[in-house]
Amino acid sequence: DAGVTQSPTHLIKTRGQQVTLRCSPKSGHDTVSWYQQALGQGPQFIFQYYEEEERQRGNFPDRFSGHQFPNYSSELNVNALLLGDSALYLCASAWGGYEQYFGPGTRLTVT
Amino acid sequence: QKEVEQDPGPLSVPEGAIVSLNCTYSNSAFQYFMWYRQYSRKGPELLMYTYSSGNKEDGRFTAQVDKSSKYISLFIRDSQPSDSATYLCAMRPSNDYKLSFGAGTTVTVRA
Repeated sequence: DAGVTQSPTHLIKTRGQQVTLRCSPKSGHDTVSWYQQALGQGPQFIFQYYEEEERQRGNFPDRFSGHQFPNYSSELNVNALLLGDSALYLCASAWGGYEQYFGPGTRLTVT
Repeated sequence: QKEVEQDPGPLSVPEGAIVSLNCTYSNSAFQYFMWYRQYSRKGPELLMYTYSSGNKEDGRFTAQVDKSSKYISLFIRDSQPSDSATYLCAMRPSNDYKLSFGAGTTVTVRA
């Protein structure tokens, strides 16, 4: 049984560029949440998607947007990248949204 | 003041010792409490998931929640070098999907 998968593993972008990160949830899960984890910090909630709609959003600017597809997979898009966006981006899936299981993350470096 | 406070450590113990980790929080609405283990450059792995106050045991791991003191703990018995990781506490209110995390405690178990 495959767990949560994310792609790519690592990414290097330049300030001002746009990036798209991808997530496939654990089998049987219908909800995907995205978190940002800065070095030495705990993950910070970006938003959660359920039934292809953003169900809840954390304190992140509109530069952060997402999408959920009919097969429950999800994308996180970040526009106009800033140096401060450098972090590990984590995807978590759940059935119903509560008990969340995390993927390995995508490490984004903005130069 | 952060919503969830966690001593970052680092904590170093000899193999076989009991590891004691804790978090305090300020939001009395938190009802669900979790502990995650995160190895370096990996995603968090769910260890324990508890509801409201009380104790829960799973193998070498025991989670305790004291809602009156807004204090949660994780104990690891007979610690092994493979337990060396960062331990994150997380929590959320009922009917809320956002997990609020502590900053994590780094633990090293010396062989």
